[in-house]
Amino acid sequence: GAGVSQSPSNKVTEKGKDVELRCDPISGHTALYWYRQSLGQGLEFLIYFQGNSAPDKSGLPSDRFSAERTGGSVSTLTIQRTQQEDSAVYLCASSTTSPDTQYFGPGTRLTVL
Amino acid sequence: KNEVEQSPQNLTAQEGEFITINCSYSVGISALHWLQQHPGGGIVSLFMLSSGKKKHGRLIATINIQEKHSSLHITASHPRDSAVYICAVSPSRGGSNYKLTFGKGTLLTVNP
Repeated sequence: GAGVSQSPSNKVTEKGKDVELRCDPISGHTALYWYRQSLGQGLEFLIYFQGNSAPDKSGLPSDRFSAERTGGSVSTLTIQRTQQEDSAVYLCASSTTSPDTQYFGPGTRLTVL
Repeated sequence: KNEVEQSPQNLTAQEGEFITINCSYSVGISALHWLQQHPGGGIVSLFMLSSGKKKHGRLIATINIQEKHSSLHITASHPRDSAVYICAVSPSRGGSNYKLTFGKGTLLTVNP
């Protein structure tokens, strides 16, 4: 079946602009995660959605970052007023439950000029 | 000190060699994950384990909960095994077992 998909695969934007990153999880997976992978920093947790429960937003680095998940499926990560330090690969993953094997999307490479 | 430490950071091997990558962690966990990331590629989950040992093909993962240590072994290594291998833990504290903490990864290069 189809894996986790993300779009766009690459995004170049100017400092101060807003960006939206999309994640389509595997059908039937109730858990959805966003991570950020910065050069030299490794992977860091951003946000977690589980079914209809309130998301855990504790990993979001600032209030410029927000995410939503509509209908328990597709998720959008929004970064407002982008800064150069936001440049990174943003990865989405999904799983049937948690903790469980997570299936990662290909990521969106964000470059803020 | 990071909660998850991997060693070595870089590893170069000749095709056919037996490879070991180590992961130590400092928190109580509900599970430990080994992930693989090829250059420019996505991340693939190799193993999730909470005790003992798991094997898949030429890959073997072990965990010692008492010592807070896990190893990933690759037998008969091949150039296609060249990738970054990442250890991550699901903490057991307070219902946050979904919040993975990651090691910085081990870059493995297998030369033909």
